[in-house]
Amino acid sequence: GAVVSQHPSWVICKSGTSVKIECRSLDFQATTMFWYRQFPKQSLMLMATSNEGSKATYEQGVEKDKFLINHASLTLSTLTVTSAHPEDSSFYICSATTGQGRYNEQFFGPGTRLTVL
Amino acid sequence: GENVEQHPSTLSVQEGDSAVIKCTYSDSASNYFPWYKQELGKGPQLIIDIRSNVGEKKDQRIAVTLNKTAKHFSLHITETQPEDSAVYFCAASIDNNDMRFGAGTRLTVKP
Repeated sequence: GAVVSQHPSWVICKSGTSVKIECRSLDFQATTMFWYRQFPKQSLMLMATSNEGSKATYEQGVEKDKFLINHASLTLSTLTVTSAHPEDSSFYICSATTGQGRYNEQFFGPGTRLTVL
Repeated sequence: GENVEQHPSTLSVQEGDSAVIKCTYSDSASNYFPWYKQELGKGPQLIIDIRSNVGEKKDQRIAVTLNKTAKHFSLHITETQPEDSAVYFCAASIDNNDMRFGAGTRLTVKP
């Protein structure tokens, strides 16, 4: 149980285009989803926290107009990288929690590798 | 905000030996400390976690210790196997929110 999927697993796009990444909780309802970015050989950096039905909370330095997050249902959150540029190339990972209990575990997706040419 | 430091950045051990990875955190309010294993091209997988009301937790070959006073926690892997080779991340959070990760340790277990 507690499986999180991401789609696509990898994407290559031209500079200036927009890319949408989906994060789904397959067998549980996720009240909160998190989006992380990971550059090669680096750690995960939290980009934003998304609660179902409300606006996402972005970390300092993350442009909310560039990284659009939608959490319209309890099983789906999307991250749209608008007008992508080569510096946006990275590994994007989402995680989801059930919101149950104080120490509810974050279940991570397999990640999406974005390459912007 | 929370700052998590992790050492070493790389660790190479012989199969069968033990491996120890250490992390320190800055925010005394942090109360949840998970450890993740990440294989190449995949998302992190939780391998063990510890909460602030516990000093040590063990799960087969993996153990984690927590020293709240010193604000550091460690991952111990005994009887290492080649399949343990991966990047390991520690993290600290308050009630599993606003999780901050360490920089990661690349563990290589040589057969």
